[in-house]
Amino acid sequence: AIQMTQSPSSLSASVGDRVTITCRASQGIRNDLGWYQQKPGKVPKLLIYAASSLQSGVPSRFSGSGSGTDFTLSISSLQPEDFATYYCLQDYNYPRTFGQGTKVEIK
Amino acid sequence: EVQLVESGGGLVKPGGSLRLSCAASGFTFSSYSMNWVRQAPGKGLEWVSSISSSYIYYADSVKGRFTISRDTAKNSLYLQMNSLRAEDTAVYYCAREMSYLDYWGQGTLVTVSS
Repeated sequence: AIQMTQSPSSLSASVGDRVTITCRASQGIRNDLGWYQQKPGKVPKLLIYAASSLQSGVPSRFSGSGSGTDFTLSISSLQPEDFATYYCLQDYNYPRTFGQGTKVEIK
Repeated sequence: EVQLVESGGGLVKPGGSLRLSCAASGFTFSSYSMNWVRQAPGKGLEWVSSISSSYIYYADSVKGRFTISRDTAKNSLYLQMNSLRAEDTAVYYCAREMSYLDYWGQGTLVTVSS
């Protein structure tokens, strides 16, 4: 199974900061990667698909990049509603595998 | 509007069985692959199983114990869970697949405890 390694596991940031989260695959997965946001007690929400495509309705401050084994989720200017846990998920093959998550907390 | 509504969760003893259901509406159910994803309390997301018209896949952690199925006439997805263990305790989500998972249900909690 492909292993997805996210970093950092948590970070503290202030409103307005630029935040970057990375995800590394144990083998090449083309651009078959999505990013999901989950707030406490809520359902995961798709933010980015195909590594860099913004899901409909998601604010443009979210962006994704990368291909092959290294991927990045960026938030250009952190907003109060962005404090959440973020997960990457490879959809290159089965079994599907998630990263372990990155918790973004208020500084 | 796409809607996915899970049901069937509850408290079950170790070694017991449970069947989860996911009722889908707002899209052509037969045209999409469907998934189950779970989340243990305080833990991350774990993919469990996928089904399409031509394939079925399982995570190693549930292979041989869980069975995914679907009824396109009823627009429903199922997960039959047998030989349940404490480590199967989690919220179980169904999710529609477009290779990525674009719509998720609200989840149903399964607790395995004596």
